[in-house]
Amino acid sequence: QSALTQPASMSGSPGQSITISCSGTNSDIGSYNYVSWYQQYPGKAPKLMIYDVNKRPSGVSNRFSGSKSGNTASLTISGLQAEDEADYYCCSYAGSSSWVFGGGTKLTVL
Amino acid sequence: EVQVVESGGGLVQPGGSLRLSCVASGFTISTYWMSWVRQAPGKGLEWVANIKQDGSEKYYVDSVKGRFTISRDSAKNSLYLQMNSLRLEDTAVYYCVREGRYMDYWGQGTLVTVSS
Repeated sequence: QSALTQPASMSGSPGQSITISCSGTNSDIGSYNYVSWYQQYPGKAPKLMIYDVNKRPSGVSNRFSGSKSGNTASLTISGLQAEDEADYYCCSYAGSSSWVFGGGTKLTVL
Repeated sequence: EVQVVESGGGLVQPGGSLRLSCVASGFTISTYWMSWVRQAPGKGLEWVANIKQDGSEKYYVDSVKGRFTISRDSAKNSLYLQMNSLRLEDTAVYYCVREGRYMDYWGQGTLVTVSS
């Protein structure tokens, strides 16, 4: 069960768009459409932002969107805002009722 | 309102044991899979274990197999994690999480510190 691969850090200016990648394998992202993304502020619990690759829970801004191609999933945040500065984690179902997370991406809004 | 609240964390010596508890409200845990997810200080999230609605199936990450046991008590609407033979690398905040095709409700976490 190896962790999914995310860039350790990314940055963007307010108003810009950024895309965070999440690379997996044929055993996780490549085999299932159960990819989710979580936002986490320091000292706080993670919050679900995207599920089933590209669905948004009620209350999550439509500036957040998700996609998947092959073994790689992506989270795009458009119109960056200061409040988007946080850590982001991808997660995929990995079969046999197990889950695997990405290492996390620290997003800085310049 | 859906809530999960963890407790039971603390300082324990290597080789020791600890039992984490999680009380759910706003939903019935017997209708959902439930998971424990941990986060070591300054590190990323790691799925630890989960349990089926009726408790008949339990799964673990390889690093805790044989040491941790997940269980539930439907009457108390509670989830547990019995942790034995604790190691330094088990130090983390442990989150109780409601699981479906995704993890939608997270507790605030309880800190487990393994240190001599």
